[in-house]
Amino acid sequence: DGGITQSPKYLFRKEGQNVTLSCEQNLNHDAMYWYRQDPGQGLRLIYYSQIVNDFQKGDIAEGYSVSREKKESFPLTVTSAQKNPTAFYLCASSPGTSGGLAKNIQYFGAGTRLSVL
Amino acid sequence: GDSVTQMEGPVTLSEEAFLTINCTYTATGYPSLFWYVQYPGEGLQLLLKATKADDKGSNKGFEATYRKETTSFHLEKGSVQVSDSAVYFCALSNNAGNNRKLIWGLGTSLAVNP
Repeated sequence: DGGITQSPKYLFRKEGQNVTLSCEQNLNHDAMYWYRQDPGQGLRLIYYSQIVNDFQKGDIAEGYSVSREKKESFPLTVTSAQKNPTAFYLCASSPGTSGGLAKNIQYFGAGTRLSVL
Repeated sequence: GDSVTQMEGPVTLSEEAFLTINCTYTATGYPSLFWYVQYPGEGLQLLLKATKADDKGSNKGFEATYRKETTSFHLEKGSVQVSDSAVYFCALSNNAGNNRKLIWGLGTSLAVNP
C-alpha cells in the first residue's frame, strides 16, 4: 500500500539531547513537509522540501533541522536548542509539479508524539 | 498575504443533527480549497476539495461549495453520526507559481453525542 510512514509513534527526549523523527513515503511525491501541532492549536509549518537536496524554512524552524538526500525520506531532527519540543509532529507529502490540479494536495502520516523526560 | 478563518469550536451536536462549519478565506488569484479531518490521535485525511469557483466537493455525506463572491467554503452535513467526532481543518493552496504550501485554518473540533 502507498502511503507515508512516520516513526516512532511515541518518542521521549532527555534534556540537551537531539532526537530524529523519521518520515518515509512511497507515493513518488516530490514535495514533503513537517508540521508541529500543539493541543487545541492548528498546524504550524516547520520545514518543507519541494525537491531532493533542497528545503526551506517554514514559520517555526528555529531549533529544528532537516535533510532531503532521497526523494522518499525527509527526517526531522529536534535539537537541544528547541526548548519546548513537546508536541505532535506530522509529516506530509504532495505530488508537486507533475500532479496537475492535485499537485498541492497533501497526504499525511499518522504522526509522532514527542515528550520531554 | 493569504489566510483562512474558521469558526471557533468546540461544536457539540446530537446525532442526526445538521452540521455547518464556516470557513472564509483571503487569497489572490484562484486558490484551490480543501477540508481535512483529523480523528483523535491520528494524522489528517483529505475530506473533500474544490479547485474553481462554484465547484462542490463532496465525500462521506459532507459537502462544501467554493463561493468566490463570498470567499467562503463552508462544510455541511445533513445528519451527523458519533463517528464524525473529529477536528476539521479548512485550507487553501494558492496555485500561482511554484508555491506548494497550504494555508491552514486553526481547526474546529466537533463532538457528536448519541
